[in-house]
Amino acid sequence: SYELTQPPSVSVSPGQTARITCSGDGLPNQYFYWYQQKPGQAPVLVIKKDIQRPSGIPERFSGSSSGTTVTLTISGVQTEDEADYYCQSTDTTTTYQVFGGGTKLTVL
Amino acid sequence: QLQLQESGPGLVKPSETLSLTCTVTGGSIDSFYWNWIRQPPGKGLEWIGYMYYSGSTKYNPSLKSRVTISVDSSKKQFSLRLTSVTAADTAVYFCAREWGGMDVWGQGTTVTVSS
Repeated sequence: SYELTQPPSVSVSPGQTARITCSGDGLPNQYFYWYQQKPGQAPVLVIKKDIQRPSGIPERFSGSSSGTTVTLTISGVQTEDEADYYCQSTDTTTTYQVFGGGTKLTVL
Repeated sequence: QLQLQESGPGLVKPSETLSLTCTVTGGSIDSFYWNWIRQPPGKGLEWIGYMYYSGSTKYNPSLKSRVTISVDSSKKQFSLRLTSVTAADTAVYFCAREWGGMDVWGQGTTVTVSS
């Protein structure tokens, strides 16, 4: 089955740059999506189609893609960015949706 | 602005059927993919399945034998049925619209499986 692998945790200081990776074991050319989830809340889409930022998402959030790995970059991290982040994509052979295991971003 | 709201029992007995409904307000249900996702306590997100507005469905293979997603367009609702539940099905259940990413989510509803 298709799997997406994320680091369990990333820690940065305020103002620094946080990078969260997501690696897929399938073929490339599938879009990836990123979600931010704060405790007790529903996830929020922060990056769509690898690199696009939905309306209302701050410019400090950006996405990039290389092969079967995508990266969520948060530039100038703020304390309010502390949250869990999940990547999501589609298994090309089955069209099932898959989430990565999630990365806890800690802003020290 | 489109909004989603999950509803259903918060407590289900083991071996029984979990039934949840997601009501769509502020927009049309006659388009897009309509998803169910769950999150066990302290764990990550798990995709359960989706229904396209036309009626076609896809389910997580790990749940496929127990899951049914259906839509009632006249009520602007889509529903989840999960049969033969166990404690492992205890989770927060979310509904979400998908069109180039899951861009609208319900607030989630907690379902506990316990006798």
